Amino acid sequence: AQSVTQLDSQVPVFEEAPVELRCNYSSSVSVYLFWYVQYPNQGLQLLLKYLSGSTLVKGINGFEAEFNKSQTSFHLRKPSVHISDTAEYFCAVMKGVDRGSTLGRLYFGRGTQLTVWP
Amino acid sequence: AAGVIQSPRHLIKEKRETATLKCYPIPRHDTVYWYQQGPGQDPQFLISFYEKMQSDKGSIPDRFSAQQFSDYHSELNMSSLELGDSALYFCASSSRLAGALSTDTQYFGPGTRLTVL
Repeated sequence: AQSVTQLDSQVPVFEEAPVELRCNYSSSVSVYLFWYVQYPNQGLQLLLKYLSGSTLVKGINGFEAEFNKSQTSFHLRKPSVHISDTAEYFCAVMKGVDRGSTLGRLYFGRGTQLTVWP
Repeated sequence: AAGVIQSPRHLIKEKRETATLKCYPIPRHDTVYWYQQGPGQDPQFLISFYEKMQSDKGSIPDRFSAQQFSDYHSELNMSSLELGDSALYFCASSSRLAGALSTDTQYFGPGTRLTVL
């Protein structure tokens, strides 16, 4: 079974400071990894994804994440945050190529509330 | 660019009533997913459809049913509503490459907030 752990439920940070939102996963098969952002009263917007290739992926709004297979992690980073980055961030995994029945479904972590203070 | 459309955006129902949620995927997307996000919870997968056939089923109660129509829109039907069904229901769509197992990005709609009183 797949599980996703977001180690911090809340991350407060001051504007222009760097931030890292941590995500670890467990899976018996290869996975694809995603980060989504949810602004208040809105749907989930894709920030970035890792399917294969370079382990460092860049997304929208200046975010990037690094896939570390040995540590089963996919931490999200931004070198300098803005107040507008305040939102809930969800890490998600999808099972990789597998002949099982659960292809395509996303397994989400509990989310990390990022609050950026002026 | 066109996005996933969900209707209604808000819905208030009494216990034991029924509700129908609708999802219109991005044009030319053939796969639809439904997720339920309870208050303060992470989204949980309910069910998915590919080319109008159910492709995967998650933790969806037997009181719920869903289908995908010929125009690819999908409806989630919920009967005998319970207080615990109050949640944000997301629909997502993707385009599955022909002959390929799905690894495609899911694009989410704004959600339908269901409140059961």
